[in-house]
Amino acid sequence: LAKTTQPISMDSYEGQEVNITCSHNNIATNDYITWYQQFPSQGPRFIIQGYKTKVTNEVASLFIPADRKSSTLSLPRVSLSDTAVYYCLVGALNRDDKIIFGKGTRLHILP
Amino acid sequence: NAGVTQTPKFQVLKTGQSMTLQCAQDMNHEYMSWYRQDPGMGLRLIHYSVGAGITDQGEVPNGYNVSRSTTEDFPLRLLSAAPSQTSVYFCASSSLRLAGYHYGYTFGSGTRLTVV
Repeated sequence: LAKTTQPISMDSYEGQEVNITCSHNNIATNDYITWYQQFPSQGPRFIIQGYKTKVTNEVASLFIPADRKSSTLSLPRVSLSDTAVYYCLVGALNRDDKIIFGKGTRLHILP
Repeated sequence: NAGVTQTPKFQVLKTGQSMTLQCAQDMNHEYMSWYRQDPGMGLRLIHYSVGAGITDQGEVPNGYNVSRSTTEDFPLRLLSAAPSQTSVYFCASSSLRLAGYHYGYTFGSGTRLTVV
């Protein structure tokens, strides 16, 4: 999997939009970008996956520029319950690939 | 639809004991993995499997064995428990898209293991 770099931690306030950026300069042509969310004492939860441009679902949006060397997870109007660790993974995830998680970004939402 | 089921949820072992952490999924997923997560750390891959009868090592395989005799089950065996294996263990599974790409993992709720 391609190496990713994301901020160790971020703080934000309730009601704001939060953007978490992940850098992946050596992303390959076949690589997808996947984000997970992990609450304390729980396993990670799949949030969103994309290849290029913009992907949106009921939880978040994922923005991927044309060069695909970075991506931004956007959480609209966050609440205290969005406090969690967010992981960015990049890879083609072929049959034999290992799926490696980094340390993620600890997002702390303040009232 | 139960998803990924891990048992037990909590376990205390004495150093040198062996045990098996159970993981079962009912989604007919081909890909299954085991991770461990230590306090304040990310997840580290122990072993993974791309289908029944096929397993491979992850980042931290030493001290652990796995087998995959069926699509549904992927047990993790601790051969001789050590305090360094105190951790939270997560099992995960994923389907494979037609092109072989994962759609995204489904994780179990974890097993909290303490080795004294």
